[in-house]
Amino acid sequence: DAGVIQSPRHEVTEMGQEVTLRCKPISGHNSLFWYRQTMMRGLELLIYFNNNVPIDDSGMPEDRFSAKMPNASFSTLKIQPSEPRDSAVYFCASSRSGREVDEQFFGPGTRLTVL
Amino acid sequence: AQSVTQLGSHVSVSEGALVLLRCNYSSSVPPYLFWYVQYPNQGLQLLLKYTSAATLVKGINGFEAEFKKSETSFHLTKPSAHMSDAAEYFCAVSDRSGGFKTIFGAGTRLFVKA
Repeated sequence: DAGVIQSPRHEVTEMGQEVTLRCKPISGHNSLFWYRQTMMRGLELLIYFNNNVPIDDSGMPEDRFSAKMPNASFSTLKIQPSEPRDSAVYFCASSRSGREVDEQFFGPGTRLTVL
Repeated sequence: AQSVTQLGSHVSVSEGALVLLRCNYSSSVPPYLFWYVQYPNQGLQLLLKYTSAATLVKGINGFEAEFKKSETSFHLTKPSAHMSDAAEYFCAVSDRSGGFKTIFGAGTRLFVKA
C-alpha cells in the first residue's frame, strides 16, 4: 500500500488567498484525521471523520477553515481566506476504527507558508 | 477527559546510554496508550501501543514501554541509544469515551551525542 497520500507537499501563498489541502487515506481505513503542527502549539487535532461523517470539529480554529470527505478515499481541508498565522505543517492520518482503537497512519504532511 | 503529559521537552543522551522518555496520562476509563516517533520532515509513525494486554510492551527499534496504572505512567525506554534514534517522540492516549479521538502530548525531542 502507498500509505496516506497528501498533496501538495509544499504550498506558498499570499494572505487572503484560498488554500486547499488534499488527502487520500489508506484503502480500507474508515477514520480520517486532520492535524496542524507548529513550534508554538505542537500537534493539534483539527477535525476527524468516521465513515466519511465529521465526528468532532471542535479543533477547527475558525470559520475560515472547512473540511470535507465526499467519499472514503478523499478528503480536503480548505482555508479561505488564508492568513500568515495559518503557516504550519498540516498532517492527514487514517486508521481502522472498530471495537478497538487502532493506530493512526500519518501522511508526509503539507508545509503551508502564508506570506 | 483524557490528557497526556510528557515530562521534558528535550532529552539529551550519549550514544550507548539508556533512553528514558516520561509520559503520564489521565483517563476516566482504561486507556489505549501509544508512542509515536517523528523524524525530520516526516509524519508520525507508531513505535508501540498498549491495549490492556501485557503491561510491558515491546516496539520497533528496541524500544519498550511499561504501563503502570498506579502511577498513571507509560514511560518509553531503550537500553542503548543509537544516533539514528534522534527524533521527536510523542505519547498519546485514547479511550472509548473519546470515540476514536487520540490526544497527543507536546512531544519530547531526543538528542543523541556521539
